[in-house]
Amino acid sequence: GAVVSQHPSWVICKSGTSVKIECRSLDFQATTMFWYRQFPKQSLMLMATSNEGSKATYEQGVEKDKFLINHASLTLSTLTVTSAHPEDSSFYICSARDTLAGTYEQYFGPGTRLTVT
Amino acid sequence: AQSVTQLGSHVSVSEGALVLLRCNYSSSVPPYLFWYVQYPNQGLQLLLKYTSAATLVKGINGFEAEFKKSETSFHLTKPSAHMSDAAEYFCAVSERGGGFKTIFGAGTRLFVKA
Repeated sequence: GAVVSQHPSWVICKSGTSVKIECRSLDFQATTMFWYRQFPKQSLMLMATSNEGSKATYEQGVEKDKFLINHASLTLSTLTVTSAHPEDSSFYICSARDTLAGTYEQYFGPGTRLTVT
Repeated sequence: AQSVTQLGSHVSVSEGALVLLRCNYSSSVPPYLFWYVQYPNQGLQLLLKYTSAATLVKGINGFEAEFKKSETSFHLTKPSAHMSDAAEYFCAVSERGGGFKTIFGAGTRLFVKA
């Protein structure tokens, strides 16, 4: 149980285009999901907290207009990188909390590797 | 605000030797603490977690960690390293009531020598 998937697992796009990454909780409901980015050989940096049915909460320094987050259902959150540039190339990881279980534990997706050329 | 400090970006041990990865945290309220492992190009796998129950926490793959409030530490140990333990390890803290957002340490790369 408690599986989180991400799609796609890797994507290459041209500079200036937009890319959407999906995060799904496969066997549980998640009112709260989190988006992280990880640069090579670095730690995970929290970008935003995604709340079902409401606006995401962004961490300081994260451009909300560039990283659009939509959490339209209890099992799906999407991150759209708009007008991507090479510096947006990174490993994006989502996580989700099991709402009904009422626990603090987060379950992580396998990550999405974004390369902007 | 919560924070995590992992001492040592790289740790190298011989196979069969003790593994000790250090983690200190800062939190304004009693925290939840976690250790995760990450293999190259993969997501995170939870090794163990502290949630205010027993201070000595046992996890998967023979790892354990001890919560020491007086030292604000949550060091990860394993009595005998295996080659398959070579990976990146992250300590993380989550504050209760803070939306449970999790802050990660910088990570420690564990190398295991044959």
